[in-house]
Amino acid sequence: EAQVTQNPRYLITVTGKKLTVTCSQNMNHEYMSWYRQDPGLGLRQIYYSMNVEVTDKGDVPEGYKVSRKEKRNFPLILESPSPNQTSLYFCASSLMGYSNQPQHFGDGTRLSIL
Amino acid sequence: GESVGLHLPTLSVQEGDNSIINCAYSNSASDYFIWYKQESGKGPQFIIDIRSNMDKRQGQRVTVLLNKTVKHLSLQIAATQPGDSAVYFCAEGETGANNLFFGTGTRLTVIP
Repeated sequence: EAQVTQNPRYLITVTGKKLTVTCSQNMNHEYMSWYRQDPGLGLRQIYYSMNVEVTDKGDVPEGYKVSRKEKRNFPLILESPSPNQTSLYFCASSLMGYSNQPQHFGDGTRLSIL
Repeated sequence: GESVGLHLPTLSVQEGDNSIINCAYSNSASDYFIWYKQESGKGPQFIIDIRSNMDKRQGQRVTVLLNKTVKHLSLQIAATQPGDSAVYFCAEGETGANNLFFGTGTRLTVIP
């Protein structure tokens, strides 16, 4: 089954404790992206990757890092999480890195930073 | 970034009725539009898309209408069912750009 898989689905942690949210897709998609979803704000892009070893900042990249060492994986790293990063996070992928194609989303990771 | 919004934050319809969800966009250069459905606890699910060279596209029980003159997009759901209850949001993209811009969503509630 074609899918985007995120782990963990839920995480409660404390300020300053480094964490990584993994994202993997099995569709051989070139483009991958991370979003955060907050009430009333919709989906905001954090980082995206057009292909392996190519990453770029989205609209809200501060406090986040990403890497794209393999085509299928695109982990999101919070080096020193803070409470304002409490949110619902989604990873997405699409076949090519152009904004005229649908993106396929994972089921989300709910992070709570205390 | 561009503004992608919705006219109504909530919509309640009777089961069996048709639903219409609206979306306004502000970027005249946008040439690709998508509707997503997001159920509770799940990620956004692709419903239907349309390119700017079309003004209407139909899927299974869904129709998307695009009015480029007034920069308006709508999603019509025929014979709405309880399983259609979810948040629906639109997204816009521009050929040559790298990102989609998403609206905030409309919550559709289907009354049995």
